[in-house]
Amino acid sequence: DGGITQSPKYLFRKEGQNVTLSCEQNLNHDAMYWYRQDPGQGLRLIYYSQIVNDFQKGDIAEGYSVSREKKESFPLTVTSAQKNPTAFYLCASTPRGQGSNQPQHFGDGTRLSIL
Amino acid sequence: GNSVTQMEGPVTLSEEAFLTINCTYTATGYPSLFWYVQYPGEGLQLLLKATKADDKGSNKGFEATYRKETTSFHLEKGSVQVSDSAVYFCALSLNTGGFKTIFGAGTRLFVKA
Repeated sequence: DGGITQSPKYLFRKEGQNVTLSCEQNLNHDAMYWYRQDPGQGLRLIYYSQIVNDFQKGDIAEGYSVSREKKESFPLTVTSAQKNPTAFYLCASTPRGQGSNQPQHFGDGTRLSIL
Repeated sequence: GNSVTQMEGPVTLSEEAFLTINCTYTATGYPSLFWYVQYPGEGLQLLLKATKADDKGSNKGFEATYRKETTSFHLEKGSVQVSDSAVYFCALSLNTGGFKTIFGAGTRLFVKA
């Protein structure tokens, strides 16, 4: 079955360390997204990419970086500049060019904590 | 700006009770509207959607009607089950030079046996 795979499920970061969260999809979707979810809050958009080798900042991009070298993959790096990285991170995708009526497909998330 | 407001939770109901979770939105243009559900430790799953005014989305006994005049998309279910316990997110999607989705804060539902 097609879907989105996020790994690892749990991740721990030490002070001053960069960590990378993986997101892979086999849905043949063009657009991919990264969200941050904090307890009791909605999803906030970090970065999104509508096509390979192109991506845009979302609402809370500071302290994060992404790459989109392959259609299937959209890894997120949480840098040491992100001072409050503890959160649940969700990756999503949609087919591009299909209009705003397309729902987002989500992975099962990565929970990042500080050691 | 564009935004989604949904009722605060948690909502606690007994099994077989009627459920309403209110959702209102502010948007420029004509958004599509969605309800997503999130079970513990998982990502979000699409529950239902509506793409234009007066459309009714439905799935698994849940329903919501796109009301343009009141800018609302309230989620309803006639008889909830324990397995419906989850967090429910209302969302809108529109073209802002790229299709973006804006989510409400989520409403946690507990259903007691």
